[in-house]
Amino acid sequence: AQSVTQLGSHVSVSEGALVLLRCNYSSSVPPYLFWYVQYPNQGLQLLLKYTSAATLVKGINGFEAEFKKSETSFHLTKPSAHMSDAAEYFCAVRVAGGTSYGKLTFGQGTILTVHP
Amino acid sequence: DARVTQTPRDKVTEMGQEVTMRCQPILGHNTVFWYRQTMMQGLELLAYFRNRAPLDDSGMPKDRFSAEMPDATLATLKIQPSEPRDSAVYFCASGLVAGGYNEQFFGPGTRLTVL
Repeated sequence: AQSVTQLGSHVSVSEGALVLLRCNYSSSVPPYLFWYVQYPNQGLQLLLKYTSAATLVKGINGFEAEFKKSETSFHLTKPSAHMSDAAEYFCAVRVAGGTSYGKLTFGQGTILTVHP
Repeated sequence: DARVTQTPRDKVTEMGQEVTMRCQPILGHNTVFWYRQTMMQGLELLAYFRNRAPLDDSGMPKDRFSAEMPDATLATLKIQPSEPRDSAVYFCASGLVAGGYNEQFFGPGTRLTVL
């Protein structure tokens, strides 16, 4: 079975500070991993995805994530937070096998607050 | 710019009434998902379709929820009768499942309030 755990339901940073949102995964097959962002009153939007190519993945809005197999992690980072980054972030892993092919399992989400 | 559309965006109804939510997936996508999002439960998968055929609806309360895809451009989620505990934001997502990417594109959601 595949699952993800997001460490920390709330993260607060100052504008200009490093953003680090943590995600650990469990997967019985080579994982495909995703980060989505949800702004208030909107749907989820794909930030970036890892599909077994480069382990450092760059996404939109200056975000990136590094796949570390030894740590089963896929943490999301951004060097300098902007006020517009305030949102909820979801880590997800593909579900493999049979009719489940195509499904994603989502983490519980991390709300990022950015202070001036 | 292709995107998933959902109607209505907001719906307020009274307990016992029928609610129908509609979704237009991105043209060419072969998989459609229905999710429900609440503060308490987070994001829950209700049902999903591949090439219009239902693959899994185990996340749905069977007695009151139903999901269909009458054609490739329309997916519907119906609740009959609605209850206050159904109040949530319902998202539709679509994707082209091929080659393993499994990326899903989400619509803006329908915010349902059942009084």
